[in-house]
Amino acid sequence: EPEVTQTPSHQVTQMGQEVILRCVPISNHLYFYWYRQILGQKVEFLVSFYNNEISEKSEIFDDQFSVERPDGSNFTLKIRSTKLEDSAMYFCASSEFGRSNTGELFFGEGSRLTVL
Amino acid sequence: DAKTTQPPSMDCAEGRAANLPCNHSTISGNEYVYWYRQIHSQGPQYIIHGLKNNETNEMASLIITEDRKSSTLILPHATLRDTAVYYCIVLNDYKLSFGAGTTVTVRA
Repeated sequence: EPEVTQTPSHQVTQMGQEVILRCVPISNHLYFYWYRQILGQKVEFLVSFYNNEISEKSEIFDDQFSVERPDGSNFTLKIRSTKLEDSAMYFCASSEFGRSNTGELFFGEGSRLTVL
Repeated sequence: DAKTTQPPSMDCAEGRAANLPCNHSTISGNEYVYWYRQIHSQGPQYIIHGLKNNETNEMASLIITEDRKSSTLILPHATLRDTAVYYCIVLNDYKLSFGAGTTVTVRA
């Protein structure tokens, strides 16, 4: 079965450092997403991406965050200057369709970010 | 966004059907109801979705009331591996908004 893969599975970084989380969506999917989950809290939407541009973003997704699809296969989330509160599990997802009937969103297993 | 209301937790006996309710009284006519689950800290897993008609797949059945203000997810024969947090979500545009969900514990 096709799957979304994410790397690294766990990253530890110092506050203020830049972090790039990588995702390989399912190959024929056109819509891409990042979510995060702080330990013990709910899954929060960060951003959606389609046709090489951001479709929608949440209030969490401020200027410190950016997304990119650099080479047609990877989908990355960059955090420019990490804060302690960025510590969370970050989930990438992709779907074949978008808008009101996305069908199934396929989620990766997540990248755990720990900011010290 | 249409909001959903789910009970915070429920227990189910292994081998029995688990019926998970969800209220979404402010849903509008073209909004779909989605169900996902999250086992421990893994990525959320899609279960099923529907608009008006009842739906069934290999994992579950989704029963949507005629007025679409509520729905029920049915796991026909719960197993221990179905222990998870189950999320009922009304899809708005590009994003799924996860609430607190229902923590379902399947007991032997």
